[in-house]
Amino acid sequence: QQQVRQSPQSLTVWEGETAILNCSYEDSTFNYFPWYQQFPGEGPALLISIRSVSDKKEDGRFTIFFNKREKKLSLHITDSQPGDSATYFCAASASSGSWQLIFGSGTQLTVMP
Amino acid sequence: GPKVLQIPSHQIIDMGQMVTLNCDPVSNHLYFYWYKQILGQQMEFLVNFYNGKVMEKSKLFKDQFSVERPDGSYFTLKIQPTALEDSAVYFCASSLPTSAETLYFGSGTRLTVL
Repeated sequence: QQQVRQSPQSLTVWEGETAILNCSYEDSTFNYFPWYQQFPGEGPALLISIRSVSDKKEDGRFTIFFNKREKKLSLHITDSQPGDSATYFCAASASSGSWQLIFGSGTQLTVMP
Repeated sequence: GPKVLQIPSHQIIDMGQMVTLNCDPVSNHLYFYWYKQILGQQMEFLVNFYNGKVMEKSKLFKDQFSVERPDGSYFTLKIQPTALEDSAVYFCASSLPTSAETLYFGSGTRLTVL
């Protein structure tokens, strides 16, 4: 049972375009949603996160849009750069007694110069 | 940023043998985690460890698995005996008590069980 789903599996955009990565979840107790960025051969690194009390979180070129009613969120990367090429993981946790982060299967982003 | 180091980066062993995966967490972090990622699939939580104890474990954390961090040294994941389905990349992570949800991951140990 996949509790966190990501789409698309892979995405290619041109440099300067906006990349949109989607994520959805099933468990309504989830209230913390981090996005991790992973380059080949490295571990995932926290990129940006949002809590369910907010509907938007912005950090530079990275913005999370969150829709609690539909249990969906998306990561927008504006002015995409070739250096943004990586795999992006959406994750979720309930942060109420559980230490587990539930990860999606990732979106592999390629930014063409 | 803070670094979590994992040693070795790749380990190959025969089925039935014991293996120990080592993790050097960020120096002032007190929560430690292991996650497992099978090729092409998502990372899955194995276990969380704090103050010398397992706080939470998933169903993937079989009886053959154990974790410890003796006297502030490496945080280790031991598998004894190993099985073919244990082949995966194992990621260690750590976090501060004040922001336990912010995990810092190592680059992983790729375990191949033959």
